[in-house]
Amino acid sequence: GAVVSQHPSRVICKSGTSVKIECRSLDFQATTMFWYRQFPKQSLMLMATSNEGSKATYEQGVEKDKFLINHASLTLSTLTVTSAHPEDSSFYICSASVQNTGELFFGEGSRLTVL
Amino acid sequence: DAKTTQPPSMDCAEGRAANLPCNHSTISGNEYVYWYRQIHSQGPQYIIHGLKNNETNEMASLIITEDRKSSTLILPHATLRDTAVYYCIVLTQGGSEKLVFGKGTKLTVNP
Repeated sequence: GAVVSQHPSRVICKSGTSVKIECRSLDFQATTMFWYRQFPKQSLMLMATSNEGSKATYEQGVEKDKFLINHASLTLSTLTVTSAHPEDSSFYICSASVQNTGELFFGEGSRLTVL
Repeated sequence: DAKTTQPPSMDCAEGRAANLPCNHSTISGNEYVYWYRQIHSQGPQYIIHGLKNNETNEMASLIITEDRKSSTLILPHATLRDTAVYYCIVLTQGGSEKLVFGKGTKLTVNP
C-alpha cells in the first residue's frame, strides 16, 4: 500500500527554538496533506489542511504563525513549530490524500519534546 | 465534531472474534464508513471501509446495517498485536476531505 513517511520520528529541542517536521508521500502524489496533533491519552486533533501550491487552511484555534506549513511539491509537506514551548510537546502526525482516489494514509508520527 | 459514537473500551480474549460497534445515525448517502486503528505511539493504520455492502479484507470484516446508521468491525481471530484504539469515521470518498477523529474504542486483547 501507499507509504507516508515522517521525519524526524523523535525530536527534543530547547524552548524558544524552531523545529521542522517533514511529511513525504513515498510512492504517490498527494495534492492534500493533513497535520494532526495528539496529546497523551487523547484523540488526534486536526491542525491544518495543506494544499500543494497554496496556503494551508488552519483549524480554529491553531495559530498559523506558530505552526508554519509548506506544501511545495506533490510529495512533501513540512510543519515548522516556531519558538517552541513545553506546551507544544506532542505527537504530530501527517496524512496524505492519494490524488484521484482520495484514499488517506498516515505517517508514523513525530514526537516533539520541548524542554 | 465527530459524526460517530463508539464505546470507549472493550476487551477480547486472544483467538476470539472482536466485534467493535459504531453508531453513525446522521450519515448521508454519499458518505462511507472508514475504520482506522492506532497502536500506541504510531500513526493510524487503515483497516477497511464500505458504503452499504458488507466488506471483507485480510485484516477484518465490516458489517453495515441496512439503514446505514451503524456498523460493526469484526476482527475474526484477535491477537495481542490487535490491541489498539479503533476509530470509526464517516467521510466522502474521492475527495480531499479531512478526517475528524472521535475518541475511538480502546480494544485490549487479553492472553
